[in-house]
Amino acid sequence: GAVVSQHPSWVICKSGTSVKIECRSLDFQATTMFWYRQFPKQSLMLMATSNEGSKATYEQGVEKDKFLINHASLTLSTLTVTSAHPEDSSFYICSARGLAGATYNEQFFGPGTRLTVL
Amino acid sequence: ILNVEQSPQSLHVQEGDSTNFTCSFPSSNFYALHWYRWETAKSPEALFVMTLNGDEKKKGRISATLNTKEGYSYLYIKGSQPEDSATYLCARGATNKLIFGTGTLLAVQP
Repeated sequence: GAVVSQHPSWVICKSGTSVKIECRSLDFQATTMFWYRQFPKQSLMLMATSNEGSKATYEQGVEKDKFLINHASLTLSTLTVTSAHPEDSSFYICSARGLAGATYNEQFFGPGTRLTVL
Repeated sequence: ILNVEQSPQSLHVQEGDSTNFTCSFPSSNFYALHWYRWETAKSPEALFVMTLNGDEKKKGRISATLNTKEGYSYLYIKGSQPEDSATYLCARGATNKLIFGTGTLLAVQP
């Protein structure tokens, strides 16, 4: 149980274009989803937290207009990188948490998306 | 310690060796400590959630201990196998978020 998928697994795009990444919880209802970014040799850094049907909460320093997050259902959240630039190239990974995991914030992760902006 | 720190950064062992690595975290306002195993091209897999000082958890050949007063957790792998090769991440629970260390990359040579 507790499987989270993420699509695409990798994407290459031109500078100035937008890219959408999907995160799905396949066998449970994810009341909360998280989006992380990882730069080489660094830790997973939380970008934003989204609750189903609510606006996402962004971490300090993360531009909400650049990284649009939608969590319209209990099984799907999307991250759209708008007007991507080479410095947005990174590894993006989502996680999902159901009600049962809320006490200790138990999160289940997708496999991640490697974004390269040319 | 302000952040979550893991050591060593990487570790190479022979099949059959036992090994251990460390996760250090701020001891104040402790809530929970999470361990994940992350194999290349796969999703991080939750291993343990530890909440109480002195906690010891076990899953097969992998076990973990927790000392919240001094702010560290150890992960032990007994009789390492090549399939244990992965990055092992720890994360401390904070208000509605997890704060991760950079991980320990374990390579087990057959």
